Amino acid sequence: GDSVTQMEGPVTLSEEAFLTINCTYTATGYPSLFWYVQYPGEGLQLLLKATKADDKGSNKGFEATYRKETTSFHLEKGSVQVSDSAVYFCALSDPPDMRFGAGTRLTVKP
Amino acid sequence: NAGVTQTPKFQVLKTGQSMTLQCAQDMNHEYMSWYRQDPGMGLRLIHYSVGAGITDQGEVPNGYNVSRSTTEDFPLRLLSAAPSQTSVYFCASSSGHIEAFFGQGTRLTVV
Repeated sequence: GDSVTQMEGPVTLSEEAFLTINCTYTATGYPSLFWYVQYPGEGLQLLLKATKADDKGSNKGFEATYRKETTSFHLEKGSVQVSDSAVYFCALSDPPDMRFGAGTRLTVKP
Repeated sequence: NAGVTQTPKFQVLKTGQSMTLQCAQDMNHEYMSWYRQDPGMGLRLIHYSVGAGITDQGEVPNGYNVSRSTTEDFPLRLLSAAPSQTSVYFCASSSGHIEAFFGQGTRLTVV
């Protein structure tokens, strides 16, 4: 079945450092890909998405490109802030199925 | 904008007790689903529904029942709670390939 594998954490960075969180997927169809973010005590919020190969999703300085050839959707940000500290989940959607990675906890120190 | 509303936010149960976690959405989404979140395991799908009157099992359905009598509501029932069901539960709704919208979660402890 469909699955998502993402880089295990936790990840600790200094403010203004470059962030990459790796995500690869396995799917039989043509899923949409997502990154969600979860702040402490809250539900998941959509960060960005891409619905087809070579699409780039972007939001709040975060980017990820849907790479069909490498079945990847890595999350990047050029300069992280303390407020980016959260848990990040990679996910794929092939309705009605939605699969999530295990989550990567990011801590950004001042 | 209410979105997806889950109740209760917190619950403590004794082993063997039953309870229902409520979930309601006001976006007219056809898809609704229940996940549990456990440390290091991400979100695992318990049950899902593709429309009123239609439900199906996800990855970890044992010990849980669902029904979908209306588009808006998708309750999750624990028939006889076990300590292994201690978790954070999230309800989500979506429409097609657009993103899923999540509730705030229910933190359940079974003692």
